[in-house]
Amino acid sequence: NFMLTQPHSVSESPGKTVTISCTGSSGDIASNYVQWYQQRPGSAPTTVIYEDYRRPSGVPDRFSASIDSSSNSASLTISGLKTEDEADYYCQSYDSTNHDVVFGGGTKLTVL
Amino acid sequence: EVQLVQSGAEVKKPGESLKISCQGSGYSFSSLWIAWVRQMPGKGLEYMGIIYPGDSDTRYSPSFQGQVTISVDKSIRTVYLQWSSLKASDTAMYYCARQGYYDALTGFQSWYFDLWGRGTLVTVSS
Repeated sequence: NFMLTQPHSVSESPGKTVTISCTGSSGDIASNYVQWYQQRPGSAPTTVIYEDYRRPSGVPDRFSASIDSSSNSASLTISGLKTEDEADYYCQSYDSTNHDVVFGGGTKLTVL
Repeated sequence: EVQLVQSGAEVKKPGESLKISCQGSGYSFSSLWIAWVRQMPGKGLEYMGIIYPGDSDTRYSPSFQGQVTISVDKSIRTVYLQWSSLKASDTAMYYCARQGYYDALTGFQSWYFDLWGRGTLVTVSS
């Protein structure tokens, strides 16, 4: 089955830039859109990126994303880090073969 | 206000049945699919399945097929997630989430979730 693999955790200082990767286990990650969700402690997830790179209204342009077919991976980049960005981040896509929605395991971002 | 409002926390015993709910408001409820997502304690997000309120078309993740039942009552704009016999391993937070885009004419759907409920905590313990 198709899987998405994320680093367990990343950390960076306020004001810096961090990138979180999401690697597909097989096939072409570009064949279905990738989304990114932010989940702060004790809260429901919210969408920060959808359809590979689009930002919902209200999400600051410090959040950006891209797809790299050569490495079969997606990346979420957060620039100008703020303490409020500290959260778990999940990538998500669709497995067309098994008609299933797939989430990555999540990455805990620490801003210190 | 556009929102998904979920029912309150539940504490149940193994073997009991349970039905939790998710009510949509502020948008055309019948026009967008609603999914259920599980989050076990300290773990990540898991997709369970999805339902289209317009015609009750329901699709389950292979991982959850046969384990739960998803249903809808569009007259009261509510989607349900149901268990017939709970297990301790069903202890989790359950989120409903609205699919971001669906074109009923073409059947095209974009597999992202743009609106989430606050979650319903289900605790199963003897």
